[in-house]
Amino acid sequence: AQSVTQLGSHVSVSEGALVLLRCNYSSSVPPYLFWYVQYPNQGLQLLLKYTSAATLVKGINGFEAEFKKSETSFHLTKPSAHMSDAAEYFCAVSERGLTGGGNKLTFGTGTQLKVEL
Amino acid sequence: EAQVTQNPRYLITVTGKKLTVTCSQNMNHEYMSWYRQDPGLGLRQIYYSMNVEVTDKGDVPEGYKVSRKEKRNFPLILESPSPNQTSLYFCASKKATGELFFGEGSRLTVL
Repeated sequence: AQSVTQLGSHVSVSEGALVLLRCNYSSSVPPYLFWYVQYPNQGLQLLLKYTSAATLVKGINGFEAEFKKSETSFHLTKPSAHMSDAAEYFCAVSERGLTGGGNKLTFGTGTQLKVEL
Repeated sequence: EAQVTQNPRYLITVTGKKLTVTCSQNMNHEYMSWYRQDPGLGLRQIYYSMNVEVTDKGDVPEGYKVSRKEKRNFPLILESPSPNQTSLYFCASKKATGELFFGEGSRLTVL
């Protein structure tokens, strides 16, 4: 069974400050890991994904995440927050197996990021 | 343009009145799925389909039906909607590289 825990349902940062959104996963087999972003009234967009190549993954809009097997973590970071980063962020895990990462993505409960001036 | 299209985007209905939310993708993806999003619960999978005529239950299938008669379409059917099915619904298809590609969502209110 697979699961995802996102610590902090709401995170607030100042513009220009470091963004750190936490994600821990549980998986019985080596996982695929994803971060998605949801802007108001929109669907989810893929930010980045880990599929077993480099452990440090770079995504769109300056975000990156590091896969740490020993900590079962996949935290999302951005060095300098921008007002346009305000959105809800979801971490997701998929177990490897069938081509394309198995049958489903299991999502965390989301973290709402607020960026203040 | 590659996209997943859902209709309707917004719907208010009453308890017991059957409704269908359509989903269509133009990327020739074999895998499609439906999720519902509720505050504090994230996204939970309702049903998924590995290919035409192959569907299976996700985590919260009760009260829903799906069909997959052709590759591009995967409608979600609520035979007798109830207020606890008030939610934001997302259809998604899976790319060959493993990640899901989402529609813009359908906000359903059942009175």
